[in-house]
Amino acid sequence: DQQVKQNSPSLSVQEGRISILNCDYTNSMFDYFLWYKKYPAEGPTFLISISSIKDKNEDGRFTVFLNKSAKHLSLHIVPSQPGDSAVYFCAASGWTSGSRLTFGEGTQLTVNP
Amino acid sequence: EPEVTQTPSHQVTQMGQEVILRCVPISNHLYFYWYRQILGQKVEFLVSFYNNEISEKSEIFDDQFSVERPDGSNFTLKIRSTKLEDSAMYFCASSGGTPMNTGELFFGEGSRLTVL
Repeated sequence: DQQVKQNSPSLSVQEGRISILNCDYTNSMFDYFLWYKKYPAEGPTFLISISSIKDKNEDGRFTVFLNKSAKHLSLHIVPSQPGDSAVYFCAASGWTSGSRLTFGEGTQLTVNP
Repeated sequence: EPEVTQTPSHQVTQMGQEVILRCVPISNHLYFYWYRQILGQKVEFLVSFYNNEISEKSEIFDDQFSVERPDGSNFTLKIRSTKLEDSAMYFCASSGGTPMNTGELFFGEGSRLTVL
């Protein structure tokens, strides 16, 4: 199942700099996108979402950008903090996928002090 | 803050044995889910449950799997006869609406199932 893909398994950034996590999707029926964060030994935690009627959604240090024509979304974290170090999952849903979320593989973000 | 709780945190079982994973969703939530993550793989949807019945299930959720909400608070996943490939972390989640409506699923910490 390659409908949601995160091509970078890992990303390392310096504290205070911007972290950019990327996600691509292939299913054009997806119209709602979410980012989850996961620490070891914990379940995924919702971070931020975006509907396909928007191209940007911002919540504090976190901003999600959606480029529908490219079927691409990205999560920007500014400024990055060591506590942001976690695995970040992109997920998508749509009217045809009903109640299910389709997840990407995840990107391990490490923020170095 | 309300949370989804899961038990057990880790279960080891022999192939062919029945396993029941338990979850207590957030009390005012209406939608309940099971997802799983096999080591090194993606988080995969198994099943969603609403109004005391399955609303959607994936191809993974075959006849060996069942879900139940026996008492209005617990939400269980039963695997009737476990296989080696059922070894995974199983996540329960709940939400007040579908992902499209609320956007937020609250996940439990997971139950790690190891089938020997």
